Amino acid sequence: DGGITQSPKYLFRKEGQNVTLSCEQNLNHDAMYWYRQDPGQGLRLIYYSQIVNDFQKGDIAEGYSVSREKKESFPLTVTSAQKNPTAFYLCASSPGPDPYEQYFGPGTRLTVT
Amino acid sequence: QKEVEQDPGPLSVPEGAIVSLNCTYSNSAFQYFMWYRQYSRKGPELLMYTYSSGNKEDGRFTAQVDKSSKYISLFIRDSQPSDSATYLCAMRPGGYQKVTFGTGTKLQVIP
Repeated sequence: DGGITQSPKYLFRKEGQNVTLSCEQNLNHDAMYWYRQDPGQGLRLIYYSQIVNDFQKGDIAEGYSVSREKKESFPLTVTSAQKNPTAFYLCASSPGPDPYEQYFGPGTRLTVT
Repeated sequence: QKEVEQDPGPLSVPEGAIVSLNCTYSNSAFQYFMWYRQYSRKGPELLMYTYSSGNKEDGRFTAQVDKSSKYISLFIRDSQPSDSATYLCAMRPGGYQKVTFGTGTKLQVIP
């Protein structure tokens, strides 16, 4: 059963702590993406990776970091430098570098207090 | 002004109605247009995509693009309660450029 998994579904952290969100895909897709979704705003691109061991900053990369050591995995770390980390985080993948055909995971709701 | 504008709704319609969801945009370079459906607390799923102007139909769904007016629409015929979700429009220029998303319109289909 192919797809994208994100874990955990809900995550709670104290301010000042780094936290890593997991994203795994078994679709054999080359490209992977991280978005943030806030009420009243469209999805905003944090980071993307078109190939293993390479990734690019999106529109709101400050306070976030990623790695792409394996094709199927693209974890996102929300660092303490991110000023407003509470949000719904979505991971996506696409077969090739063209991002129009993106498949999304179920999302992780992060709450930082 | 946002590059992509979408009425947030909520839009409530009776079951069986024809639903019209719309987005306007300002970037004339946009060439690829997508519609995603997102159920509450879930990830978006791609419903339809179109290239440039014209119509595309898939079952009860029709996507329409009018590049001259910078206006795209998604029509849902014979709407069902299971269509209740938030619908996101998305678009991008040619080439491997990033996708710009609308804020989404929340639709409720009442049985």
